[in-house]
Amino acid sequence: EPEVTQTPSHQVTQMGQEVILRCVPISNHLYFYWYRQILGQKVEFLVSFYNNEISEKSEIFDDQFSVERPDGSNFTLKIRSTKLEDSAMYFCASSPRATTRDTQYFGPGTRLTVL
Amino acid sequence: AQKITQTQPGMFVQEKEAVTLDCTYDTSDPSYGLFWYKQPSSGEMIFLIYQGSYDQQNATEGRYSLNFQKARKSANLVISASQLGDSAMYFCAMREGLGSNYQLIWGAGTKLIIKP
Repeated sequence: EPEVTQTPSHQVTQMGQEVILRCVPISNHLYFYWYRQILGQKVEFLVSFYNNEISEKSEIFDDQFSVERPDGSNFTLKIRSTKLEDSAMYFCASSPRATTRDTQYFGPGTRLTVL
Repeated sequence: AQKITQTQPGMFVQEKEAVTLDCTYDTSDPSYGLFWYKQPSSGEMIFLIYQGSYDQQNATEGRYSLNFQKARKSANLVISASQLGDSAMYFCAMREGLGSNYQLIWGAGTKLIIKP
């Protein structure tokens, strides 16, 4: 069964460094998402992406964040200058379309630790 | 105001018993979807079941069913014949249909522990 994959599974970085989190969505899906989950807290939406454009973003997704689909398979989240509070689990998700009926399928997550 | 409320932070259930996890939601949008996800201790987010606002019947997927009470704005997850492997965090989430909403809105989750 097709699945969303994410790399790396765990990333440790120093405050102020740039990180790139990578995702390979399910191949026939058109909509891609990033969410984050700070330890012990709710899952929070960051951004959705369709047709090489951001379709929606949250207040969390400020100028430090960017997303890109550099080729036909990868979808990346870049954090330019990490802060301690960026430490979280980052989930990539994809869906075939974006109706209320379309399930978003999640990858296994990347645990980001900022020191 | 919270859009998704899960009132049970934690639950202990005996193996093989049925368990109901509560979820209430708040939306003025007539079109919405409700989703339940399971997050084991390993961290991944696993989709379990979906209920649409216009669906006439309660959703079922194997041992999972959804007790959808639209007038009460509740969408409780029922797990029948619980197993040790059901121990996990369970999240209720909603997708609203109005405008350009693409995001899932999440509840705080319920930690379910199945006792042998």
